[in-house]
Parts: sequence; structure tokens; C-alpha cells
Amino acid sequence: DGGITQSPKYLFRKEGQNVTLSCEQNLNHDAMYWYRQDPGQGLRLIYYSQIVNDFQKGDIAEGYSVSREKKESFPLTVTSAQKNPTAFYLCASSIPGSGSYEQYFGPGTRLTVT
Amino acid sequence: RKEVEQDPGPFNVPEGATVAFNCTYSNSASQSFFWYRQDCRKEPKLLMSVYSSGNEDGRFTAQLNRASQYISLLIRDSKLSDSATYLCVVNIDTGNQFYFGTGTSLTVIP
Repeated sequence: DGGITQSPKYLFRKEGQNVTLSCEQNLNHDAMYWYRQDPGQGLRLIYYSQIVNDFQKGDIAEGYSVSREKKESFPLTVTSAQKNPTAFYLCASSIPGSGSYEQYFGPGTRLTVT
Repeated sequence: RKEVEQDPGPFNVPEGATVAFNCTYSNSASQSFFWYRQDCRKEPKLLMSVYSSGNEDGRFTAQLNRASQYISLLIRDSKLSDSATYLCVVNIDTGNQFYFGTGTSLTVIP
């Protein structure tokens, strides 16, 4: 089955540690995205990538980093510089170039930093 | 100003009721429009795309008004299983970014 996987589902870290969230897709989509969702709020864009080896900052990129070495993979690192990292992180993919194609989401990773 | 604005609700309606949600967007260059459904602690899933001519999928009807820059979703004969948060999503093709509303919470009551 085609889809997007994110792992782990739940992640706990101590403050000051970097942590990397995994996102893999086998939909053959060129575009991939990372969003953050806080309780009662909408999705906010962290980073997105339209093609391998290229990515752009979203609205809230500070304290995060990404890489896009393979079409299928778009890992997100939450660094110790992110002031409030506890949140629900969602990865998505779509076919770029035409916005008429919707985004598909992975199941998300809940990160708790204490 | 936010790109996409929705009434957060909550909307609490009895089973069988008809309920409508509206969403406004600020960028007149917006190209594509969607309604997503998000269940508690789950990822958003596409409910339906919104076309200029309006479109219907069973009990769900979506409308787009480009002149007034708003999108609507109508749910007829509400079911308990319709309880969820409904997200309005707009795509501005430049950069292929998607903008999400904060969502409208719906609870269907027996």
C-alpha cells in the first residue's frame, strides 16, 4: 500500500537534546512538508521541499533543520534551539507544480520535551 | 492577517441536523481549495476538494465563491461519526504552499 509513514508515534526527550523525526513516503511524490500542530491551533508550516536536495523555510523554521537526500525521505531535526518543541508533528507529501493535487499526511509524531 | 480564517466553533448539533461551515481566504491568487477532516489526535484526511462550480459527495456539499473569497461546507443529515474538526485548506500555487485554517469543531449529539 502506498502512503506516508512517520516514526516514532510518541517521542520523549530531555530539554537540550536534539531529536530527529522520520518521514518516509512511497507515493512517488516530489513535494514533502513538515507541519507543527499545537492544541487548539491550526497547522503551521516548518519546512517544505519540492525536489530532492532542495528545501525552503516555512513560517516557523527557527530551531528546526531538514534534509532531502532521497525522494522518499524528509527527516526533521528538532534542535535544542527550538524554545517550545513539545507538539504534534505532521509530515505530508503532494505532487508539486499544480495545487489541484491534495496533500497526504502521515500519522504524526507526538514529541514531548521535559 | 491570516491567509485562511474559520469560525472555530464548537458546533454542537443533534443527529440528523444540517450544519454549515464557512471559511474565508485573503489571497485572491489562491488556486485550489480543500476541506479536510481531522479526528482527535489523528492526522488530517482529505474530505473533498472544492471546485468553482461547487461539488457534492453524498451528504457533503462544498461551494466556492471567488468574488467574496469564501468556501463553505454543508453537511446534511448529520451522523454521530461526523464528529471531528474540519479544516479549510487553500493552495497558492506559487511555491506550492498550502495554508490551513485553525479548524471548526463539530460534535453531533444523539
